[in-house]
Amino acid sequence: EAQVTQNPRYLITVTGKKLTVTCSQNMNHEYMSWYRQDPGLGLRQIYYSMNVEVTDKGDVPEGYKVSRKEKRNFPLILESPSPNQTSLYFCASSSTAGGSFWSTDTQYFGPGTRLTVL
Amino acid sequence: AQSVAQPEDQVNVAEGNPLTVKCTYSVSGNPYLFWYVQYPNRGLQFLLKYITGDNLVKGSYGFEAEFNKSQTSFHLKKPSALVSDSALYFCAVRALLDSNYQLIWGAGTKLIIKP
Repeated sequence: EAQVTQNPRYLITVTGKKLTVTCSQNMNHEYMSWYRQDPGLGLRQIYYSMNVEVTDKGDVPEGYKVSRKEKRNFPLILESPSPNQTSLYFCASSSTAGGSFWSTDTQYFGPGTRLTVL
Repeated sequence: AQSVAQPEDQVNVAEGNPLTVKCTYSVSGNPYLFWYVQYPNRGLQFLLKYITGDNLVKGSYGFEAEFNKSQTSFHLKKPSALVSDSALYFCAVRALLDSNYQLIWGAGTKLIIKP
């Protein structure tokens, strides 16, 4: 089954304790992205990756890191989480790489990770 | 500035009635427009998209959307609402940002279908 998986689905942590949210897709997609969803703000992009070893900042990258060492995985790293990073996080992927037409393709979303930072 | 607006935080419709969820956009060049749906405790799912061609686009679950260039709108519609359509709906538009094309998302509209 074609899917995007995220782990963990739920996480409660404390300020300053490093954490990683994993994202994996089995569709051989080149493009992957991380979003956070907050009430009234919709989806805001954190980081995206056009392909392996290529990552770029989205709208709200502060406090986050990503890596794309292999095509299927795109982990989100919070080196020192803070309470303002409490949110619902989604990973997404799509098939087209390149800056011109990638977004005409459907994005496939993971089930989400609800993070609470105390 | 390039943007997407969903002017209604929530839309309430009786089951069986037609529904409309509004979306307006502001973007340079030809707009590529999308609708996604988010059911409770789930990730977003693609519904439909407008790239070019007919202004009326048909998508999943009986939904359709009408592209109106003069009004810069892309409203989502369904002739007869089902209780199971209750969900959060997001409109998005492709925009050129920092030399790459990215999606700009609306804030979402909660659709509630009452039996």
